[in-house]
Amino acid sequence: GIQVEQSPPDLILQEGANSTLRCNFSDSVNNLQWFHQNPWGQLINLFYIPSGTKQNGRLSATTVATERYSLLYISSSQTTDSGVYFCAVGYNNNDMRFGAGTRLTVKP
Amino acid sequence: KAGVTQTPRYLIKTRGQQVTLSCSPISGHRSVSWYQQTPGQGLQFLFEYFSETQRNKGNFPGRFSGRQFSNSRSEMNVSTLELGDSALYLCASSPGLAGETQYFGPGTRLLVL
Repeated sequence: GIQVEQSPPDLILQEGANSTLRCNFSDSVNNLQWFHQNPWGQLINLFYIPSGTKQNGRLSATTVATERYSLLYISSSQTTDSGVYFCAVGYNNNDMRFGAGTRLTVKP
Repeated sequence: KAGVTQTPRYLIKTRGQQVTLSCSPISGHRSVSWYQQTPGQGLQFLFEYFSETQRNKGNFPGRFSGRQFSNSRSEMNVSTLELGDSALYLCASSPGLAGETQYFGPGTRLLVL
């Protein structure tokens, strides 16, 4: 089946720093989403981005489907950005496969 | 608007039992998706229901089933529970068209002893 790899697995930043999270996938996909899970377990959908670039405030995402990767940019990070960021791809029979996540810690 | 609600929030069962979890979507949303999260396997997609029909299904055994009612509320059922079914079960709702944002509930944490 399709492989979804996220890097880095862990990231520690000082408040105000910028960061880039990466998601690589091994096969063609129908869609791609980015999620954030806060330290209390609440999951939030950030972007639905099968291709192209989207921006929402301090967050933006770019997917290059032909090269099988997606990037999530976080600018001017805040402590509330801490948590785990997941990418998930939809493929073939509309199954979804999640990456293992990037755990982000933003220190004040 | 009220958010996605899931009941119960916590549940303890023993091996061999069955369990039913409930999810009430945001009013007006017609799609409900279910996910399982475990420390070992991470996040996995279970299934999606839209207008009372299963639209997509993940790679889970037949012990995992679900349904959606005419008011869009959804239930998932796990029969013959195994220790490995211990997990956080999340549901998410969306209006139903591809590309629309999913809104997640707080989850049901199931412990199988």
